[in-house]
Amino acid sequence: KAGVTQTPRYLIKTRGQQVTLSCSPISGHRSVSWYQQTPGQGLQFLFEYFSETQRNKGNFPGRFSGRQFSNSRSEMNVSTLELGDSALYLCASSHYSVPGQGHSGANVLTFGAGSRLTVL
Amino acid sequence: GEDVEQSLFLSVREGDSSVINCTYTDSSSTYLYWYKQEPGAGLQLLTYIFSNMDMKQDQRLTVLLNKKDKHLSLRIADTQTGDSAIYFCAELNTGGFKTIFGAGTRLFVKA
Repeated sequence: KAGVTQTPRYLIKTRGQQVTLSCSPISGHRSVSWYQQTPGQGLQFLFEYFSETQRNKGNFPGRFSGRQFSNSRSEMNVSTLELGDSALYLCASSHYSVPGQGHSGANVLTFGAGSRLTVL
Repeated sequence: GEDVEQSLFLSVREGDSSVINCTYTDSSSTYLYWYKQEPGAGLQLLTYIFSNMDMKQDQRLTVLLNKKDKHLSLRIADTQTGDSAIYFCAELNTGGFKTIFGAGTRLFVKA
């Protein structure tokens, strides 16, 4: 079956612009999580969506937002880009619904290859 | 608080065993994971362990969990050059619906 697809794979923006990244999860996965990966900070949690609802959000400014559609596809948006937003943005999907419920409760994440954003 | 810490680098010789260590702070974590990231790719799950287990073995991989000390380790037996990658330790924050990752340990395997 198809994996997690992220588009675009690479993009270059300038400070002040905004960007939208897209993630198509594995078919049947309703949970989508987003992470920011930088060399200095590792993987930082951005947000998690399940059935179009944001269930949690990381410690990022309001410039970072996201949404999930009824087909479980998700987008994240970063407005007023700053140099420090340059990073690899990773999306991951899972079956995760209810904590502790067997394998689905283990929240095994399947990651996409990421969208590498460079802000100049 | 929630934090996962792991050393940043490990270098081993081909054929030796590699041991990557991790500590976490959330005592309510139910699942702990090891993910692997190869250059230019996203992360892929290697293995996970439920918090009521002490050990899990899967072919060349052995995971040890010391819940009292909140310490997790990954042992790779007979390490090969193809095992060179970044290894991430992670814990599931159950109530928060989020998986928290460490900064990753870069494993170098010398031929």
